[in-house]
Amino acid sequence: AQSVTQLDSQVPVFEEAPVELRCNYSSSVSVYLFWYVQYPNQGLQLLLKYLSGSTLVESINGFEAEFNKSQTSFHLRKPSVHISDTAEYFCAVRTPYSGNTPLVFGKGTRLSVIA
Amino acid sequence: DTGVSQNPRHKITKRGQNVTFRCDPISEHNRLYWYRQTLGQGPEFLTYFQNEAQLEKSRLLSDRFSAERPKGSFSTLEIQRTEQGDSAMYLCASSSGEGLGPYGYTFGSGTRLTVV
Repeated sequence: AQSVTQLDSQVPVFEEAPVELRCNYSSSVSVYLFWYVQYPNQGLQLLLKYLSGSTLVESINGFEAEFNKSQTSFHLRKPSVHISDTAEYFCAVRTPYSGNTPLVFGKGTRLSVIA
Repeated sequence: DTGVSQNPRHKITKRGQNVTFRCDPISEHNRLYWYRQTLGQGPEFLTYFQNEAQLEKSRLLSDRFSAERPKGSFSTLEIQRTEQGDSAMYLCASSSGEGLGPYGYTFGSGTRLTVV
């Protein structure tokens, strides 16, 4: 079975500062990795994903994450955050095999951007 | 399409009562998922459907929980004899195929259940 650990439950950061949200996963097989974001009073939305190929993946709003197989990590980074990035971020994992493999989520990290 | 719709948004019920939640997925999505989220936790998988077939149920889904998706469209989640531990946000999501496309799983805003 897969599992996800998000070590930081809350991350406060000043506007225009860089941020890293950490995600480590556990799996005995290969994995697909995802970051979902939940803005206040909205449903979860896919931010970015790693399925295969380049280990560095990017979102349209400036976030990036790098799949590191040796460290079993998929940390999310942004070089300069905006107030609008304030949200809860969830890392998720599943196996590539088709069939009964829904997403397994971490506990989430609440990012608070301070003006 | 207005996305995944969940009703009601909030439900307060007395312990021991039965409750039913409804989820209307994106119409062309063939997969539908139910998750539960408690304070300080991420979404925990409960069950999922491909069309009208319920393909997997989590160990979290006790005998008091039942889910249906008649005709492969909307889905209902019923909790019988509610307990205080059932208090949570119940999330519904849908996807086209395995949800590996650009939008992944599309989540609704959830139904918040409070058992008093």
